[in-house]
Amino acid sequence: EPEVTQTPSHQVTQMGQEVILRCVPISNHLYFYWYRQILGQKVEFLVSFYNNEISEKSEIFDDQFSVERPDGSNFTLKIRSTKLEDSAMYFCASSTQGAGNTIYFGEGSWLTVV
Amino acid sequence: QKEVEQDPGPLSVPEGAIVSLNCTYSNSAFQYFMWYRQYSRKGPELLMYTYSSGNKEDGRFTAQVDKSSKYISLFIRDSQPSDSATYLCAIADIHGSSNTGKLIFGQGTTLQVKP
Repeated sequence: EPEVTQTPSHQVTQMGQEVILRCVPISNHLYFYWYRQILGQKVEFLVSFYNNEISEKSEIFDDQFSVERPDGSNFTLKIRSTKLEDSAMYFCASSTQGAGNTIYFGEGSWLTVV
Repeated sequence: QKEVEQDPGPLSVPEGAIVSLNCTYSNSAFQYFMWYRQYSRKGPELLMYTYSSGNKEDGRFTAQVDKSSKYISLFIRDSQPSDSATYLCAIADIHGSSNTGKLIFGQGTTLQVKP
């Protein structure tokens, strides 16, 4: 069964460092998302991406965050200068037909900022 | 008022019990409702998808939407220890004709089914 794959599964980084989280969405999907989940809290929306541009972003997704789909298969989330409060599980997700249809999530990348 | 509210539990039941999980939501315009299951430190996995009001059944799982009360439910019949997980309700907040938007998740209810 097709799946969303994410790398790395776990990354530890120093505060202030740049981090890139990578995702390979399911191949025929057109809508891409990043969500995050701080330990013990709810899954929160960060950003959606469709037709090669950001379609929506949350208040969390400030200037420190960016997304890219550089080669038609990968979808990356970059955090420019990490803060302690960026420590969370980051989930990539994708869908064929958007938010009103099945959205498939990856297994997540656990980011620890020290 | 939060957009989606869900009792975080934990909920502990004996094997074979019927489990009822619930969420309330605030925006009457929402039309698409989902239930995801999440195991510890794993990604959410879609269990049930419902459009508008009514019931949907899949094996031991039944999803129910009552739009008049803004209340969604997931029932698990004959619960098994393997059902032990966190169950997340999610609602699709969609914008425009291109179907862009996002999922809004509840807090998640942690379920433990004891053998």
